[in-house]
Amino acid sequence: AQSVSQHNHHVILSEAASLELGCNYSYGGTVNLFWYVQYPGQHLQLLLKYFSGDPLVKGIKGFEAEFIKSKFSFNLRKPSVQWSDTAEYFCAVTAEYGNKLVFGAGTILRVKS
Amino acid sequence: GAGVSQSPRYKVAKRGQDVALRCDPISGHVSLFWYQQALGQGPEFLTYFQNEAQLDKSGLPSDRFFAERPEGSVSTLKIQRTQQEDSAVYLCASSLVIMTTPNYGYTFGSGTRLTVV
Repeated sequence: AQSVSQHNHHVILSEAASLELGCNYSYGGTVNLFWYVQYPGQHLQLLLKYFSGDPLVKGIKGFEAEFIKSKFSFNLRKPSVQWSDTAEYFCAVTAEYGNKLVFGAGTILRVKS
Repeated sequence: GAGVSQSPRYKVAKRGQDVALRCDPISGHVSLFWYQQALGQGPEFLTYFQNEAQLDKSGLPSDRFFAERPEGSVSTLKIQRTQQEDSAVYLCASSLVIMTTPNYGYTFGSGTRLTVV
């Protein structure tokens, strides 16, 4: 069975600091990888996704993620966070032609202004 | 509508009560999913519909949980004889395409927060 591990449950950063959120998955086959964000009081929104091709994926709002197959990792990065990035971030995976997302437990990011 | 709509937003149920949670997906979306998100956890898959067919119900935690989508649009998740461990946010998501198509995307609703007292 697939599983997703997110390394930190809470992260606190000051504005303009760099962000890296860790995500590792457990699955032996080809996977599709996602990062979702949930702003306070809002629904889950897709930040970025990886299906194939260039392992460095760029998403909305300046976020990017790198798929490292040998490490089973898909870490999320942003060079300079803003107060508005305060949210909960979820890493998720599906099998290549799978029909269900498997989510990590989430990382709550708080950006201090 | 423009997004996935779920109702009610909040539901408080007494232990043993039956509840019904509604999901209105985006018009025309073929695929519909239900997820359960317990406090401090990520969403966990419950069930998947392709149009009116329930193709995967492997995530339903017990036979007290039942989902339907009779006309391939609106879906209802029913929980019978609610227990305290059923307290969670129940999320619905829909997608325009079937899930074996690459490059698909999901749209999530805002969820229904169920509290069983």
